[in-house]
Amino acid sequence: DADVTQTPRNRITKTGKRIMLECSQTKGHDRMYWYRQDPGLGLRLIYYSFDVKDINKGEISDGYSVSRQAQAKFSLSLESAIPNQTALYFCATSPGTGDQETQYFGPGTRLLVL
Amino acid sequence: GQNIDQPTEMTATEGAIVQINCTYQTSGFNGLFWYQQHAGEAPTFLSYNVLDGLEEKGRFSSFLSRSKGYSYLLLKELQMKDSASYLCAVRDGDYKLSFGAGTTVTVRA
Repeated sequence: DADVTQTPRNRITKTGKRIMLECSQTKGHDRMYWYRQDPGLGLRLIYYSFDVKDINKGEISDGYSVSRQAQAKFSLSLESAIPNQTALYFCATSPGTGDQETQYFGPGTRLLVL
Repeated sequence: GQNIDQPTEMTATEGAIVQINCTYQTSGFNGLFWYQQHAGEAPTFLSYNVLDGLEEKGRFSSFLSRSKGYSYLLLKELQMKDSASYLCAVRDGDYKLSFGAGTTVTVRA
């Protein structure tokens, strides 16, 4: 079974609709992240959480909100979707502050906003 | 913030060697990572450097020069399955990663 899962894997929605992307992990990691990926721009950080009570904005948080329901779950919401939020969204986790700590990515959610 | 540059595309022949360069300007440096990403899939960890020098892992090696703000990923004995995008990422003092736009490597037979 995958350690980091995302649902849905694909989503088509209309402008103005509210949608939620969900991320779950079985790795027992405290840290979780949401990124979006656009062609030519690479991965950009939307929000991150270092534990259940900690939520931080990334470089492109406008138009998004998050909820850390438990150590294992971190959801991303688009309150009123717009077409330029069409992108590939990745959730990631990491264990803590170890030097060689890397991030582990979920399979991604492909979102199309019409 | 971070400014990370890497070439957009590279093409090489099966069995050859390819070197992907990454330059960065950072407000804080706490390690440099390389990830591999096949089309439509999640990035996966390849290598990590925090001190100057070369780290070797099988066919893949990564080099770091902190004074020059420079790293490279060296792929040896290229295989068709190495066709992918390679992402350079810099970690800051808050343990957040900033990513370059990625280098798409195409391996030809």
